[in-house]
Order: sequence, then structure tokens, then C-alpha cells
Amino acid sequence: GAVVSQHPSWVICKSGTSVKIECRSLDFQATTMFWYRQFPKQSLMLMATSNEGSKATYEQGVEKDKFLINHASLTLSTLTVTSAHPEDSSFYICSADRYRNTEAFFGQGTRLTVV
Amino acid sequence: QKEVEQDPGPLSVPEGAIVSLNCTYSNSAFQYFMWYRQYSRKGPELLMYTYSSGNKEDGRFTAQVDKSSKYISLFIRDSQPSDSATYLCAMSAGTGGFKTIFGAGTRLFVKA
Repeated sequence: GAVVSQHPSWVICKSGTSVKIECRSLDFQATTMFWYRQFPKQSLMLMATSNEGSKATYEQGVEKDKFLINHASLTLSTLTVTSAHPEDSSFYICSADRYRNTEAFFGQGTRLTVV
Repeated sequence: QKEVEQDPGPLSVPEGAIVSLNCTYSNSAFQYFMWYRQYSRKGPELLMYTYSSGNKEDGRFTAQVDKSSKYISLFIRDSQPSDSATYLCAMSAGTGGFKTIFGAGTRLFVKA
């Protein structure tokens, strides 16, 4: 299957700082990437959809100025959590969508802890 | 009503048992149906992928889709302790950028 690499796998940051998470498709070009958030024992909640070269589409209730998404190339999307607060602590997962394929390939996830 | 309903469990079975996991959905536009397995603190990995109604088998795993009932199932035969994980159903209306909607996930424990 296709490989999606997410980095870092875990990060601890101080409240008020910003954190950047990278999502790379290693062996295919991803026209669309998705960013999810998952709280313990809960399912994945879609935060935003990003298409290469255009602005991300955010789900209702997700602050676009807080969660900055950049999809500058067909193999890389980044999520930046700005001015992080403890309530932003969560498991963030990206997925990449190959053109005309509906099955999503997930990164290994990033556990963010804001202290 | 959620678009996709899945019992979160937990479901505990003895090793060797047949496991049945299910999801129901309300959106008749869904055409693509997936099952993902997620181990603790890891990203989901795709197990099965089915288009429209029917059955699909892959080793010990069988996926069934009944669009008339809006009901999908995943069967695991000869379950192993290594199958212990959270299983998420997911579905989408189309390809190439359509949103995938996930169920809540069912936590499965297979006891040795």
C-alpha cells in the first residue's frame, strides 16, 4: 500500500507556542490531504481538507486562524497549531488521497501535549 | 442522528472465535465502504475496501455491504490476540477528494 509519513510522532510544547506537523506522501502524489483530530477512545473528527495549491476547506467549528494548513506540493501538507492551549492536546492524524482512489492512507499520527 | 453509527464496545472474545463488527448509516449516497484497524496510539490502517453492495474476502477477513439495509459488516475468522485493536468503519460518496465519514470505532479484545 501507499506510504504516508507524519512527523513528529509526538511533541510537547508550552502553552502559547506554535507547533508544526508535517504529512508527506512518500510514493505517490496526493491531490488531497485530510487532517483529523482524535480524542482518547473517540473516532476521527475531520478538521479540514486541503488540495494542493489552494486554500484548505475547514469543517464547521474548526478555527482556520488557529489551525493553519498549507499544501504547497503534491507530497507535503503541514498543519500548524498556533498559540497552543492545553485543550489542543490531542492525537492529530493526516491522510492522503490518491487521485481517483477513495481509500485514504493514513500517517502514523502526532500526539500533541500542551503544558 | 449521526451519519454512521457503530457500537464502541468493548467487545471481548476468546482466541479462535468468529468476530462480527457492524455499522449502520443513513446517507444513501455512500458508495465506498472501508474498514480500518487502529492500534493504540497509531494511525488507522486500511483492512478492507468495498465498492457498492456485496461481499469481499481477504484471508481471515470478510466484508459485507448491504446497501438496501444501509448496513455493513466485518467478520474476522479464527481471531487472534494480535487482532486486538479498534476497528473503524468508514464510508464515502465518491472518489478523488470526497470526505470519508468514520464510525466511532469498536474496541476488540481477543483473549488468549
